[in-house]
Amino acid sequence: QQQVKQSPQSLIVQKGGIPIINCAYENTAFDYFPWYQQFPGKGPALLIAIRPDVSEKKEGRFTISFNKSAKQFSLHIMDSQPGDSATYFCAATSYNQGGKLIFGQGTELSVKP
Amino acid sequence: GAVVSQHPSRVICKSGTSVKIECRSLDFQATTMFWYRQFPKKSLMLMATSNEGSKATYEQGVEKDKFLINHASLTLSTLTVTSAHPEDSSFYICSARRGGGYTFGSGTRLTVV
Repeated sequence: QQQVKQSPQSLIVQKGGIPIINCAYENTAFDYFPWYQQFPGKGPALLIAIRPDVSEKKEGRFTISFNKSAKQFSLHIMDSQPGDSATYFCAATSYNQGGKLIFGQGTELSVKP
Repeated sequence: GAVVSQHPSRVICKSGTSVKIECRSLDFQATTMFWYRQFPKKSLMLMATSNEGSKATYEQGVEKDKFLINHASLTLSTLTVTSAHPEDSSFYICSARRGGGYTFGSGTRLTVV
């Protein structure tokens, strides 16, 4: 119930492509779903986050789609650039569970020029 | 925005010695801080949750006596790896919760030789 399953493990796209990363969860008590970007040797940085009362959120080139009934959410990166090459993590948490972030397994994205 | 400063960024220590990692919230008061461990190409594994003024709550399987966490003020949490051994070599990351969001430190690469 605590798991967040993320796929794919790795992803290669051409510059300008739209990589899509998917996550699924089981715990219906989760009420906050962030996505993080991590570069080698650095801490994760928040990209965008969504709460379950909306189905989509867009910030710049990053879009989260959220399907509450399917318990799935995904990250879309529009017009991807080589500088977007990084590892991306989805996460989920519930304040009722002490607010601990549960992370997905991560997706290593490579954007080719 | 919220900034979490983590020091040192890299540390090499001899087997059997102890190492302290500091995590400071620079522009906000963090009542709750989280400590993670990350292995190469792996996700973040939550080690413990610390609340200011109280004992840390450790995740199952994390040795409390080896990983000492102190959260003595609203802006500072420390992780001390005691009697470090080569298997403790890893990337350690702190995170602070603020208003529903989570800000991460830049991480500490610990190498035990």
